[in-house]
Amino acid sequence: DVKVTQSSRYLVKRTGEKVFLECVQDMDHENMFWYRQDPGLGLRLIYFSYDVKMKEKGDIPEGYSVSREKKERFSLILESASTNQTSMYLCASSPGGRGDTQYFGPGTRLTVL
Amino acid sequence: GQQLNQSPQSMFIQEGEDVSMNCTSSSIFNTWLWYKQDPGEGPVLLIALYKAGELTSNGRLTAQFGITRKDSFLNISASIPSDVGIYFCAGQLGSNDYKLSFGAGTTVTVRA
Repeated sequence: DVKVTQSSRYLVKRTGEKVFLECVQDMDHENMFWYRQDPGLGLRLIYFSYDVKMKEKGDIPEGYSVSREKKERFSLILESASTNQTSMYLCASSPGGRGDTQYFGPGTRLTVL
Repeated sequence: GQQLNQSPQSMFIQEGEDVSMNCTSSSIFNTWLWYKQDPGEGPVLLIALYKAGELTSNGRLTAQFGITRKDSFLNISASIPSDVGIYFCAGQLGSNDYKLSFGAGTTVTVRA
């Protein structure tokens, strides 16, 4: 079974803080993704990575950065958290190749006060 | 990314009913996926479809990849209370495309 884990289920931070969200997958997947999910807006892609140290911007990268130093780990960084970054953050991974299927972690509910 | 048009936005089910939802797009997709999300959890993959016309079942769930490659539907037969949740369709545009496009979701609730 594919397992994608996220470091925290719930997180509360203050405006201006630097926030790290960690994601780990145990299936040797090539690709990893970070999404945010907001009511009425669905899932929106923030960043993704198709290899170690490689990253590409998704649809809403502003205010975020990512790091992928090891294949199994993909970190999302909020350099200076703001209240409009309060959201559910979902990490996903996929094996790579044709007809790829993404597998999601349980999500981190982040509240920025 | 491109949004898929998913309908209905929400539905109420009565235990034992068959329910159906669908996704459409103006673009041709290479892969269609259906996910279910329970409250406070991440989406879980239900069914993956890779060929136009493909019809695939997973227990009481059946999904089809439309022959035009621009649509897909998901049917749930004989619904039970644990079927409540949000169902998402997702599509992959090209075989070399890492990204998925998502529908906005169909919220399924039990009718009181």
